[in-house]
Amino acid sequence: DAGVTQSPTHLIKTRGQHVTLRCSPISGHKSVSWYQQVLGQGPQFIFQYYEKEERGRGNFPDRFSARQFPNYSSELNVNALLLGDSALYLCASSLVGQGSSPLHFGNGTRLTVT
Amino acid sequence: EDQVTQSPEALRLQEGESSSLNCSYTVSGLRGLFWYRQDPGKGPEFLFTLYSAGEEKEKERLKATLTKKESFLHITAPKPEDSATYLCAVQAASGGSYIPTFGRGTSLIVHP
Repeated sequence: DAGVTQSPTHLIKTRGQHVTLRCSPISGHKSVSWYQQVLGQGPQFIFQYYEKEERGRGNFPDRFSARQFPNYSSELNVNALLLGDSALYLCASSLVGQGSSPLHFGNGTRLTVT
Repeated sequence: EDQVTQSPEALRLQEGESSSLNCSYTVSGLRGLFWYRQDPGKGPEFLFTLYSAGEEKEKERLKATLTKKESFLHITAPKPEDSATYLCAVQAASGGSYIPTFGRGTSLIVHP
C-alpha cells in the first residue's frame, strides 16, 4: 500500500519567492496535517485539515496557507519566503481528524531558502 | 499550554546495553501519547499509542510505559539498527482539534 507521498523532495528558493508543497494521503485517510521540522527539533504544527475544512492552525504567520482538495490531497503555500523558513516540511495523514488516531508521515520536502 | 520534554537529548549505547528514554508532559486532558521513530532524512514512523496511566505496549526490543506525568521507552539489548531519533507526542482535546504536540526527540546511537 502506498504511504503518504510528498512532492517535491527537495527545493531551493530565494528570499521573497513563493513555494507550493504537495501531499497525497494514504488511501482512505481524510485528515491531513502539515508540520515544520527544523534540524535538531521536533515537528512544529502548522495546519490540520479534515474533510476539506481547516481544523487547526499553529503559531505561524499568515504567509503560510494550505488547502485540502476533494480527493483529500493537500497543498501548503508559503509566500514571501524568509531564510528562517528553511526546514523539512512534513505532511501526515490520519483516519480521522479527531480522537487518538496516529499520524502517518511522508518523508517530507526539504526547503532551502537562500 | 501543552508541554513535552524529552531526555536525554542524545544517548550513545553499546550493542546489547539496555536503557530508557524519558518523555515528561504537561497537558490538560490527555487523549493519547505517541512514540515515533525518525531516521535521518525520513519522516517519523509511528511506534506506539498509550492512552492511560499504567498502560504498556511492546514491539520487538521496545517497550513503552505511561504514568500520569511521563512515559518511558525502554530499549532492551539494542542493536545498531535501532539507531534513530525517537520522538514523543501528546494529544489533548484543545478546542476540539486534537493537535498533537511533539517533543524535541532523543537521538540514539547504538555502537556495534
